[in-house]
Amino acid sequence: GAVVSQHPSRVICKSGTSVKIECRSLDFQATTMFWYRQFPKQSLMLMATSNEGSKATYEQGVEKDKFLINHASLTLSTLTVTSAHPEDSSFYICSAIEPGGDTEAFFGQGTRLTVV
Amino acid sequence: AQKITQTQPGMFVQEKEAVTLDCTYDTSDQSYGLFWYKQPSSGEMIFLIYQGSYDEQNATEGRYSLNFQKARKSANLVISASQLGDSAMYFCAMREGLYQAGTALIFGKGTTLSVSS
Repeated sequence: GAVVSQHPSRVICKSGTSVKIECRSLDFQATTMFWYRQFPKQSLMLMATSNEGSKATYEQGVEKDKFLINHASLTLSTLTVTSAHPEDSSFYICSAIEPGGDTEAFFGQGTRLTVV
Repeated sequence: AQKITQTQPGMFVQEKEAVTLDCTYDTSDQSYGLFWYKQPSSGEMIFLIYQGSYDEQNATEGRYSLNFQKARKSANLVISASQLGDSAMYFCAMREGLYQAGTALIFGKGTTLSVSS
């Protein structure tokens, strides 16, 4: 199947700093990527839909100024957590669907963010 | 209203036994897809099985089968001959507007499966 690579897998940062998470589709062009957030033992909650060359669409309750999403190319979407606080500590995971594909979504490995 | 409902927070099964993980869904779309993913403690999302709303036969993938009852809006996952490595969290998910670009998977709350020897 298609491969989505997410980096870094783990990051620890200080409160007030920003962290960038990258999501790359390695063997297909993803016009749309999705960002999810997951707290321990809970579901994956959709944060935003990232569209290549246009602004991301954020889900209700997600602060667009805190979670900056850029989809500059057909193979790369980035999520930047700005001015991070301890409550932003979570597991962030991206996914992409192959164009024309109606079956599985491919997921990155996820990023475990800890804000201290 | 929840789109995907998984009512079993935890399930326990012995090796070699079969187990059914429940999932019901809510949609008014005619074209949708139902998915099951496995998430071990590492956090990676492992695709298990897919059922399209127009598929008349239940999907099967090795030891996994999906019991699709469209009228009841249920899509239960059946794992036959459980193995210790099956211990993980299992998520049911749905994608509405199946042939439209840019629609995300929506996930249920998950079921933690524990397999014992």
